[in-house]
Amino acid sequence: ETGVTQSPTHLIKTRGQQVTLRCSSQSGHNTVSWYQQALGQGPQFIFQYYREEENGRGNFPPRFSGLQFPNYSSELNVNALELDDSALYLCASSQRFQETQYFGPGTRLLVL
Amino acid sequence: QQQVKQSPQSLIVQKGGISIINCAYENTAFDYFPWYQQFPGKGPALLIAIRPDVSEKKEGRFTISFNKSAKQFSLHIMDSQPGDSATYFCAASRRLYGNKLVFGAGTILRVKS
Repeated sequence: ETGVTQSPTHLIKTRGQQVTLRCSSQSGHNTVSWYQQALGQGPQFIFQYYREEENGRGNFPPRFSGLQFPNYSSELNVNALELDDSALYLCASSQRFQETQYFGPGTRLLVL
Repeated sequence: QQQVKQSPQSLIVQKGGISIINCAYENTAFDYFPWYQQFPGKGPALLIAIRPDVSEKKEGRFTISFNKSAKQFSLHIMDSQPGDSATYFCAASRRLYGNKLVFGAGTILRVKS
């Protein structure tokens, strides 16, 4: 059973650019959630995808968007990057209606 | 924003001692309360979790105590070891609403050998 993987591990962008982060869910999991973890803080829920549709969104602006593919992998896209977008972006996969979420190692994004 | 408040912010415990981390929540609709452990450069890993129909759950050296009326829950780490040094997050969610986790701010635990 493979775990949750994310790519890239690190990324440096400049303000105003766009970024795409990728996540492969754990085998058998059909739900993917994305979280933003700023330095020294707890993760904050961005949105969740189930069966290729957004299933709930946290307090993040529309420039944060996502996709889920038929194989349940997912992308997080952030447009018009701001300095405050610098954070660790975590992907978590789970089976629908099952409690446990398994997190990937994250993508560290630095916006200069 | 539904909140989960976690304390203390940091904790230093001697090897063999008991580490205690506390959390309080606001939304009485929460029905799942996990604790995650995170090492530097890694994603959070589930440590132990509890539902509100029980007051305590124990797994090895880790115990969750849950007080529904006070809307509080805590993690106890018995016989703390240097390898337990990490950041611990409490969280809460509503299982039937996508189980979207609301995290506390985290506690940095250091176990001195």
